[in-house]
Amino acid sequence: AQTVTQSQPEMSVQEAETVTLSCTYDTSESDYYLFWYKQPPSRQMILVIRQEAYKQQNATENRFSVNFQKAAKSFSLKISDSQLGDAAMYFCAYRGGNMLTFGGGTRLMVKP
Amino acid sequence: DAGVIQSPRHEVTEMGQEVTLRCKPISGHDYLFWYRQTMMRGLELLIYFNNNVPIDDSGMPEDRFSAKMPNASFSTLKIQPSEPRDSAVYFCASSLGALPEQYFGPGTRLTVT
Repeated sequence: AQTVTQSQPEMSVQEAETVTLSCTYDTSESDYYLFWYKQPPSRQMILVIRQEAYKQQNATENRFSVNFQKAAKSFSLKISDSQLGDAAMYFCAYRGGNMLTFGGGTRLMVKP
Repeated sequence: DAGVIQSPRHEVTEMGQEVTLRCKPISGHDYLFWYRQTMMRGLELLIYFNNNVPIDDSGMPEDRFSAKMPNASFSTLKIQPSEPRDSAVYFCASSLGALPEQYFGPGTRLTVT
């Protein structure tokens, strides 16, 4: 079974600074997808970014980018120019087949 | 476009009562997923459907839980009888065909007293 691990329960960043959230996963598959979801206090799960395992190029969406290291099974999220609205729980998720497996989440606090 | 719709947003019920959670997926999506989120277990998949047919229900905790999808635009998750340990946020998500993204509804916060 696939497992997803987020080793940082909580992170803090100063507004306008950059922060990196870590995620590692375990799988024997070669074809899969990885995602980062954001869950603000409203509890809505918002898709932030996705990465296909077959792509070597790291995905980027505006201020959000990933560092995908397939051999190391590592998938970190970098948030640049952090904003107060970035404060939320962030979940890393693995999709092999049709099922998503989530990590335990990292709570990001943004200091003004 | 409307996203995934769930109702109710909040539900408070007494132990032993029947609870029904409802979900309307994004129009045209052919996969529907039910997840449960708790502090202890995080986000876990309960069941998912493809073209209204249940494909994998291995995450359903026990026989008190049941899910149906009578048509492409509606699904229910029922708990009967409910217990305090069922208190959680229940999410519905949908996706389209081979596309990997799942889109989540706002969730239903269930409290069983």
